[in-house]
Amino acid sequence: EAQVTQNPRYLITVTGKKLTVTCSQNMNHEYMSWYRQDPGLGLRQIYYSMNVEVTDKGDVPEGYKVSRKEKRNFPLILESPSPNQTSLYFCASTPRPGGKLFFGSGTQLSVL
Amino acid sequence: AQSVTQLDSQVPVFEEAPVELRCNYSSSVSVYLFWYVQYPNQGLQLLLKYLSGSTLVESINGFEAEFNKSQTSFHLRKPSVHISDTAEYFCAVSDSGGSYIPTFGRGTSLIVHP
Repeated sequence: EAQVTQNPRYLITVTGKKLTVTCSQNMNHEYMSWYRQDPGLGLRQIYYSMNVEVTDKGDVPEGYKVSRKEKRNFPLILESPSPNQTSLYFCASTPRPGGKLFFGSGTQLSVL
Repeated sequence: AQSVTQLDSQVPVFEEAPVELRCNYSSSVSVYLFWYVQYPNQGLQLLLKYLSGSTLVESINGFEAEFNKSQTSFHLRKPSVHISDTAEYFCAVSDSGGSYIPTFGRGTSLIVHP
């Protein structure tokens, strides 16, 4: 089944403890992206990647890192999480410009 | 860079009434436009998109949107809504010659009352 898989679905952590949210797609898509969703703010893009080893900042990249060593994986790294990073995170991929975005199921992160 | 403005954060409507969810965008280049829907406790799904050609695009569940270049708008309409249309709707725009990854608006919550 074609899908974008995010893990974990729920995560509670404490300030400053490094964490990684994984994202993997099995559709051979070149383009991948991370968004965070907050009430009243919609989806805001954190980072995106147009291919292996090609990443760029979105609208709210501060406090986040990404890597794209393989086409299928695009992990989101929070080196030192803070409470303002409490949010619902979505990974997404698309095969081409203008193509449909395929979303993961989301990761609800709480930073205490 | 492009941006999206969804003018209404919440739209309450009665069942079987028509509805319009407004979306305006800004971009200095050609764009692709999208509407995504998020049902409660679910991820986002593509509702419809405009890439080129006919300015009126339709979805399989009765929604339609019209691309208006002069007004930089892509409003979503449905002539008769159902309870099951209650959801969050997001307008999105991507630069047809740039990153291709869409920028989203803040969303409009459509609430359909019986």
